[in-house]
Amino acid sequence: AQSVTQLDSQVPVFEEAPVELRCNYSSSVSVYLFWYVQYPNQGLQLLLKYLSGSTLVKGINGFEAEFNKSQTSFHLRKPSVHISDTAEYFCAVSVISGSARQLTFGSGTQLTVLP
Amino acid sequence: DAMVIQNPRYQVTQFGKPVTLSCSQTLNHNVMYWYQQKSSQAPKLLFHYYDKDFNNEADTPDNFQSRRPNTSFCFLDIRSPGLGDAAMYLCATKEQGTSHEQYFGPGTRLTVT
Repeated sequence: AQSVTQLDSQVPVFEEAPVELRCNYSSSVSVYLFWYVQYPNQGLQLLLKYLSGSTLVKGINGFEAEFNKSQTSFHLRKPSVHISDTAEYFCAVSVISGSARQLTFGSGTQLTVLP
Repeated sequence: DAMVIQNPRYQVTQFGKPVTLSCSQTLNHNVMYWYQQKSSQAPKLLFHYYDKDFNNEADTPDNFQSRRPNTSFCFLDIRSPGLGDAAMYLCATKEQGTSHEQYFGPGTRLTVT
């Protein structure tokens, strides 16, 4: 079964510093990868997705991620973070199960941006 | 704007008292999902509907049931809530076919007293 591993459960970083949130996935023939953000007491919002094509994917709020097939990674990056980026970030892979595709989530990374 | 709506946002119920959570969507997607998310954990899929075709995850307790009377609405029924069922419940939708993106509602936070 496909799965994702988020290597860091908590990442503290100072405001305006760069950040990288790490995600590794289990290898498969076709991989569809996502990053979602969750603010406190909110649902999940899609940041970006990789389905095919260019391995560098740009998302909302200045985030980007790079699909690396040889390292089976899909790390999320932002060159300069803001206080408002403080949230939980989930990496996910799309898998077929039953009659429809579903998402399998990593365990999440809490990003805390410090002033 | 097209969206996924969950009501109520916060629900308090008593131990053993049945409770129903509601989800509606204006996206006209034919796939709908229910997730349970406990504190500081990833969302865990309970079940999903593909149109009226119900798909239960193998480890979803029998205490959790769902109904989908039409394309727009989906309900999560917890027949006898226990303290361990306190969690955020997330509804999501997806368009069947080549789309892989799920659209999430804001969630309902359930407290069991």
